[in-house]
Amino acid sequence: GAVVSQHPSRVICKSGTSVKIECRSLDFQATTMFWYRQFPKQSLMLMATSNEGSKATYEQGVEKDKFLINHASLTLSTLTVTSAHPEDSSFYICSARVGQGQYFGPGTRLTVT
Amino acid sequence: DAKTTQPTSMDCAEGRAANLPCNHSTISGNEYVYWYRQIHSQGPQYIIHGLKNNETNEMASLIITEDRKSSTLILPHATLRDTAVYYCIVSSNNAGNMLTFGGGTRLMVKP
Repeated sequence: GAVVSQHPSRVICKSGTSVKIECRSLDFQATTMFWYRQFPKQSLMLMATSNEGSKATYEQGVEKDKFLINHASLTLSTLTVTSAHPEDSSFYICSARVGQGQYFGPGTRLTVT
Repeated sequence: DAKTTQPTSMDCAEGRAANLPCNHSTISGNEYVYWYRQIHSQGPQYIIHGLKNNETNEMASLIITEDRKSSTLILPHATLRDTAVYYCIVSSNNAGNMLTFGGGTRLMVKP
């Protein structure tokens, strides 16, 4: 199946700093990518839909100025968590739609201290 | 997207078949049934999907009832590595459609 990668896999940052997470489609082009967040013992929650060449669509309750999404090419979408706080600590997962399937990256564990 | 209902948890003996049920009584005609699983601290892994016919691949079989209101994922010979949370999701096939995850079923395969 299609491969989606994320970088970094794990990051620790200090409160108030910004962190960028990259999501790449390795063997296909993706006009649409999705960003999810997962807190411990909970299910995945969709944060935003990232569209190549246009603005992302954010789910209700997700601050677009805090979670900046850029989808500048057909193989790369980035999520920047600005002014991170401990409550932003979570597992961030991206995915891309390919044909009838949707493939997920391995996730990025963010810890804000 | 239609909502799904799954048991919170299930146990299965290693080597036996694991049958994971899912109810999706409000599924629409153009919505597919997708199954994913998530092993601890990893991204979800695609397993199988179908519209109305039963499907089989190297990982599992998907049995969809004739009225499409429920389905069953079958892992024919469960191994310890199949221990994971299994998500049943219904979604249309539009390219821009995201997948909405419910609580899933935590399958524990025991030796």
